[in-house]
Amino acid sequence: AQSVTQPDIHITVSEGASLELRCNYSYGATPYLFWYVQSPGQGLQLLLKYFSGDTLVQGIKGFEAEFKRSQSSFNLRKPSVHWSDAAEYFCAVAKRGGGNKLTFGTGTQLKVEL
Amino acid sequence: GAVVSQHPSWVICKSGTSVKIECRSLDFQATTMFWYRQFPKQSLMLMATSNEGSKATYEQGVEKDKFLINHASLTLSTLTVTSAHPEDSSFYICSAETSGVQETQYFGPGTRLLVL
Repeated sequence: AQSVTQPDIHITVSEGASLELRCNYSYGATPYLFWYVQSPGQGLQLLLKYFSGDTLVQGIKGFEAEFKRSQSSFNLRKPSVHWSDAAEYFCAVAKRGGGNKLTFGTGTQLKVEL
Repeated sequence: GAVVSQHPSWVICKSGTSVKIECRSLDFQATTMFWYRQFPKQSLMLMATSNEGSKATYEQGVEKDKFLINHASLTLSTLTVTSAHPEDSSFYICSAETSGVQETQYFGPGTRLLVL
């Protein structure tokens, strides 16, 4: 069965510092890969997604992620964090083909220090 | 684009009553919608997959008679929590999946249910 690991439960960074959130997956074939962000009491917002092609994916709010097949990773990065980025971040995978369930990681809580 | 709404955003009800939650895709059609439940400080737990015009597929351990799902159109799925009990109190989130290539789930804002 597929699984998604987000090894960091909590991360604290200073505003303006760079950020990297880790995500590793275990899957038989390359799945679809997603990063979502959730603010307290809210639904999930899609930051970016990878289906194929260029392994460096640009998303909204200045985020990017890089797919590394050899490492089964899809780490999320941002060069300069803003206080408004404080939220819960979820990595997720889905089997190619549609109508399929997302498997979520356990999430990483990001705190931004001013 | 790809906006999903949920209604209501929060609801308080008495034990034993039923509660209906609506999930709508506002600017796209969704053959498939999903219902999740999220406990505090935890990830999302998939409850069921809702397919337009057919019966929902429930995850193991989810009571289909308690959590009734109807996906009557390509833009609307409903979740009805029947005979709600305090342990059903939770945050319920739906998603709608785009069709065609690069299928992607877009999420609603969630519904907070409190059963007294």
